[in-house]
Amino acid sequence: SQTIHQWPATLVQPVGSPLSLECTVEGTSNPNLYWYRQAAGRGLQLLFYSIGIDQISSEVPQNLSASRPQDRQFILSSKKLLLSDSGFYLCAWSPPSTYEQYFGPGTRLTVT
Amino acid sequence: SQQGEEDPQALSIQEGENATMNCSYKTSINNLQWYRQNSGRGLVHLILIRSNEREKHSGRLRVTLDTSKKSSSLLITASRAADTASYFCATVFGTASKLTFGTGTRLQVML
Repeated sequence: SQTIHQWPATLVQPVGSPLSLECTVEGTSNPNLYWYRQAAGRGLQLLFYSIGIDQISSEVPQNLSASRPQDRQFILSSKKLLLSDSGFYLCAWSPPSTYEQYFGPGTRLTVT
Repeated sequence: SQQGEEDPQALSIQEGENATMNCSYKTSINNLQWYRQNSGRGLVHLILIRSNEREKHSGRLRVTLDTSKKSSSLLITASRAADTASYFCATVFGTASKLTFGTGTRLQVML
């Protein structure tokens, strides 16, 4: 069966520090991969999605970037965090050509 | 914005009662999905209804879709305390693999 992992689970970082969040999927190949951010008590905002290695689309202009170094690995990064980057970050995957998405447990990021 | 809007924002019911939450969206869709999120956790896919379907069932869940009104409803019958969570609708436009999420309904089921 397929599983999705995210780490770390929680992170407290000072303003201006770098960020690296990692997401990996097991048990499938060529998944579509997604990064979302959820502000407290709000819906999900799509940040990046990828339908393959070297195919990453950005949805929201910001100081975040995403990379997909391997087929089942998706990384969210920032060179310098802002206070507004605080939130709950969720990674998700879907099989190619399907619409249901499967979410990881999330990373709660607090920028201080 | 293509974002859906759920109504109500919050709902509190007694165990055993039915819970109904609604979702409205703005443009034509390929399909609409409902997800559940327990506090501080990831989302869990519940059900998908295609634009050419009007009603779909899964266990105690019933979803309806009215494309003329651009709205959907999720009914949870005989609710349980374990149903306490936030519920989100999400829409897919065209053939894109992206979901656009609504703002969510927080459901509390009291014993």
